[in-house]
Amino acid sequence: AQRVTQPEKLLSVFKGAPVELKCNYSYSGSPELFWYVQYSRQRLQLLLRHISRESIKGFTADLNKGETSFHLKKPFAQEEDSAMYYCALSIRSNDYKLSFGAGTTVTVRA
Amino acid sequence: DTGVSQDPRHKITKRGQNVTFRCDPISEHNRLYWYRQTLGQGPEFLTYFQNEAQLEKSRLLSDRFSAERPKGSFSTLEIQRTEQGDSAMYLCASSPPYSRDEKLFFGSGTQLSVL
Repeated sequence: AQRVTQPEKLLSVFKGAPVELKCNYSYSGSPELFWYVQYSRQRLQLLLRHISRESIKGFTADLNKGETSFHLKKPFAQEEDSAMYYCALSIRSNDYKLSFGAGTTVTVRA
Repeated sequence: DTGVSQDPRHKITKRGQNVTFRCDPISEHNRLYWYRQTLGQGPEFLTYFQNEAQLEKSRLLSDRFSAERPKGSFSTLEIQRTEQGDSAMYLCASSPPYSRDEKLFFGSGTQLSVL
């Protein structure tokens, strides 16, 4: 069965510093990978998906099939980036039966 | 608010009681999902509807759990004979028919506490 691992429960960075959230997955096929974000008192929402190859709010994520990773990066963290971030995987295209990691809480300090 | 709506926001019940949650998806979203999230974990998939048809159920969904979407619009999730281990946030999400910008839209969830 597929599995998503986010090794960091908590991540604290200073404003303006780079931030990287790690995500590793186990699945033998070709999955779709996503990053979801939940800001304080808000709903869980999609941040980005690997097939879009977009940069959203300055965040990027590259799917590395060799290392089975999908790390989320931002070169200059902002205070409004403080949130809970979840990495998620789908084994079928256009299918939202997602397997989520346990999440990483990011705190950006002024 | 035109987002996914869930009711109630919070539910406290005693062990052994039955509870029912409701989810109203975004209008015209034909796909509806239920997830469960316990403290310190990410959401776990429970079940999925396309229109009124329940297409998939997780092994997490014991026979005490039942979900319906009778007219392909709102959905209900019922838990019979609740146990303390059922305490969790129950999340509903919906998505539109296949489209270029499709994504999953989540509700605010129903927090269940079983005493």
